[in-house]
Amino acid sequence: GEDVEQSLFLSVREGDSSVINCTYTDSSSTYLYWYKQEPGAGLQLLTYIFSNMDMKQDQRLTVLLNKKDKHLSLRIADTQTGDSAIYFCALPSIFGQGTTLQVKP
Amino acid sequence: DVKVTQSSRYLVKRTGEKVFLECVQDMDHENMFWYRQDPGLGLRLIYFSYDVKMKEKGDIPEGYSVSREKKERFSLILESASTNQTSMYLCASGLRRDEQYFGPGTRLTVT
Repeated sequence: GEDVEQSLFLSVREGDSSVINCTYTDSSSTYLYWYKQEPGAGLQLLTYIFSNMDMKQDQRLTVLLNKKDKHLSLRIADTQTGDSAIYFCALPSIFGQGTTLQVKP
Repeated sequence: DVKVTQSSRYLVKRTGEKVFLECVQDMDHENMFWYRQDPGLGLRLIYFSYDVKMKEKGDIPEGYSVSREKKERFSLILESASTNQTSMYLCASGLRRDEQYFGPGTRLTVT
């Protein structure tokens, strides 16, 4: 079956770029998703990429998709303390373990 | 704005109790989902429903059942709660199966 893997923790300094990586085993999904979960809150859809695209940019967020390597990444430029959260990569209904992003001032 | 609400933010129940978790969405979405979230495991799909009275098992349905009598409401039922069901439960809804809007979650503790 499908599986999604993420590293569990990433720490960066405020102003730096953050890159959160995700690998998946197989996907026939039309879209791949990134969700953000702030402490004590539900998941918020952050961005998504159509499976036929290689890259999508949305303000400070850049999503890269390498279908050959089954690798998805989320880059956050100029990371702020408000970006501290857990980030989930998802094929629909199949979620990674979540990467906790810690942003140090 | 899509609104998905869950009946409780925090719930404490005893082992063996029957537990109902309620989820309501206000966007006339066909699809509704129940997940549990555990540290290091991410979200795991318990059940989903694509229409009233229709349901499908997800990856971990054991120990759970669901009810969808009305389009806007999807209930998760723990027939006899056990301590290994202590978790954060997240409900989601969407027009398409790959579009999901999440509620705030219910943190259930079974003692």
